[in-house]
Amino acid sequence: DSGVTQTPKHLITATGQRVTLRCSPRSGDLSVYWYQQSLDQGLQFLIQYYNGEERAKGNILERFSAQQFPDLHSELNLSSLELGDSALYFCASSERGPGNEQFFGPGTRLTVL
Amino acid sequence: DQQVKQNSPSLSVQEGRISILNCDYTNSMFDYFLWYKKYPAEGPTFLISISSIKDKNEDGRFTVFLNKSAKHLSLHIVPSQPGDSAVYFCAARIGTASKLTFGTGTRLQVTL
Repeated sequence: DSGVTQTPKHLITATGQRVTLRCSPRSGDLSVYWYQQSLDQGLQFLIQYYNGEERAKGNILERFSAQQFPDLHSELNLSSLELGDSALYFCASSERGPGNEQFFGPGTRLTVL
Repeated sequence: DQQVKQNSPSLSVQEGRISILNCDYTNSMFDYFLWYKKYPAEGPTFLISISSIKDKNEDGRFTVFLNKSAKHLSLHIVPSQPGDSAVYFCAARIGTASKLTFGTGTRLQVTL
């Protein structure tokens, strides 16, 4: 158990819908990272937040957005969903910023029908 | 553009033997490399890492070798155990950047 929690574990929705994925980092960790893993692909970095502020952006679509709240939990919002958005979404956290080991949550499996 | 490649999707090794997982990269700016292990229904777990100033790092049964000129790294597991059966991801980073670039993973099966 990494100490990073993600909810829900599974999510099934339809094209065009909007969903919110939630992540609670390990106690004391200030940085939260979001990754997407599509079928048979590696994890693709989406975005990083540090202590409530966006720190780095990767291959995140405009239809996706994220935020980190004062209690340090983070939410990833996916809107106007398409079939290709079906994937595993992982959240990771680390103590401070870059350079520190990232601990991953168990992921949320999103299926868009 | 796959900057980190793991060309073997799967590998089967007998218990007690050596497992060698390979990873190639194309971006010469990468200077820190990591291996993660992933069991089904769990997130990746950090296993071992190596900085580009080294060519070898060892931690118990796990050793990572880095060949910068060939842009190649490998993970050796000796001896392999059934509990090592998992998907192994190679990842790379530039400096202290946030972004980890992952390979597509190699599924290791250790048989009895």
